Amino acid sequence: AQKITQTQPGMFVQEKEAVTLDCTYDTSDQSYGLFWYKQPSSGEMIFLIYQGSYDEQNATEGRYSLNFQKARKSANLVISASQLGDSAMYFCAMREAFSTSGTYKYIFGTGTRLKVLA
Amino acid sequence: EAQVTQNPRYLITVTGKKLTVTCSQNMNHEYMSWYRQDPGLGLRQIYYSMNVEVTDKGDVPEGYKVSRKEKRNFPLILESPSPNQTSLYFCASSPPNRNEQFFGPGTRLTVL
Repeated sequence: AQKITQTQPGMFVQEKEAVTLDCTYDTSDQSYGLFWYKQPSSGEMIFLIYQGSYDEQNATEGRYSLNFQKARKSANLVISASQLGDSAMYFCAMREAFSTSGTYKYIFGTGTRLKVLA
Repeated sequence: EAQVTQNPRYLITVTGKKLTVTCSQNMNHEYMSWYRQDPGLGLRQIYYSMNVEVTDKGDVPEGYKVSRKEKRNFPLILESPSPNQTSLYFCASSPPNRNEQFFGPGTRLTVL
């Protein structure tokens, strides 16, 4: 079955340092998408970054980069130069391959709570 | 402003009293979805819809119904709510050929 695993329930990082949030996934599909979302304490879900399974280069969006290792089925989020505002819950997610009827589902991990220390 | 709206934002109800949580998007997105978020479990997809009159079950559909009569609206219906449906609910939408989902602000539901 498709699955997303985030093994770090909580992490601390010093302000201005880089931090890596781990995500592994399990799928037998060849075509899929991987996402990271941020959920601050206010509760909204904020899209951060996307990586397609056929993308050869790691995705980057500002201070966010996705370390995609297809053979290991990992899609770790790297946040460079952490800021206090980065303190939040972070979710890794996968969009499954299109089914024969053209539909697709999303699967989320259980999240990692990041705390940035001043 | 492009957005996904949900109503109500907060709801306390009692077991068995039918309720509907509305979701509306103004971006002409085809794909819409409902999730519930529970501590330690992340987000789990309840139902999703590829377009008008096309809906399908996610991973946790039991106890929920949806309908998609218009492209912009995707209401979530709890015919007979139970305490185990106490949760934070999110509606989301995404356009074709785009990757991210746009989430609504969430609805916190408590069933007593």
